[in-house]
Amino acid sequence: QKEVEQDPGPLSVPEGAIVSLNCTYSNSAFQYFMWYRQYSRKGPELLMYTYSSGNKEDGRFTAQVDKSSKYISLFIRDSQPSDSATYLCAMSAGLTGGGNKLTFGTGTQLKVEL
Amino acid sequence: DGGITQSPKYLFRKEGQNVTLSCEQNLNHDAMYWYRQDPGQGLRLIYYSQIVNDFQKGDIAEGYSVSREKKESFPLTVTSAQKNPTAFYLCASSRQEMNTEAFFGQGTRLTVV
Repeated sequence: QKEVEQDPGPLSVPEGAIVSLNCTYSNSAFQYFMWYRQYSRKGPELLMYTYSSGNKEDGRFTAQVDKSSKYISLFIRDSQPSDSATYLCAMSAGLTGGGNKLTFGTGTQLKVEL
Repeated sequence: DGGITQSPKYLFRKEGQNVTLSCEQNLNHDAMYWYRQDPGQGLRLIYYSQIVNDFQKGDIAEGYSVSREKKESFPLTVTSAQKNPTAFYLCASSRQEMNTEAFFGQGTRLTVV
């Protein structure tokens, strides 16, 4: 079993829809959680960063972390065609002996259609 | 503009050759990382460095080597010992304090011909 599980999709939604992307994890030491957006043939771009449990909102994006369930989510409101990309979740236990190593999900491919 | 620069964007290698991928950052970050991305497998850590002149193996270090002679630079050499080198390679950097956000370059696509 992978440390981080993420549905690869593809997920196709109409423009304006609310999108929900999710990851589950097994390592209870993870306390830093990130969402990256990656366009085709480009490097990942950091979207959201959260520490421990709770919600964080930034414009149309909301990140949720439920450490008790080992479950994180990214919500995209009023989705746009420009949101079409692969979304990667990533997490870290922080400054352990292994440094700030990130463990990634495999990514969910999202397509927002006109 | 501050950021991470990877070069070249595309690289072709003949079997049996070593190739070196460049990664430079001007973010004044202490830590730098190399990841490999394959379809359906996400990002896997090859090597990372927390300070100059020090680096550690990641999860898939076999067939790769790195150096960290300067804070700004963290080149990756893909050696002939790497059995399946065709992939998308991503370099990242982060600060070493509590903040663990990592920022990525635009990647190098390596193809063995």
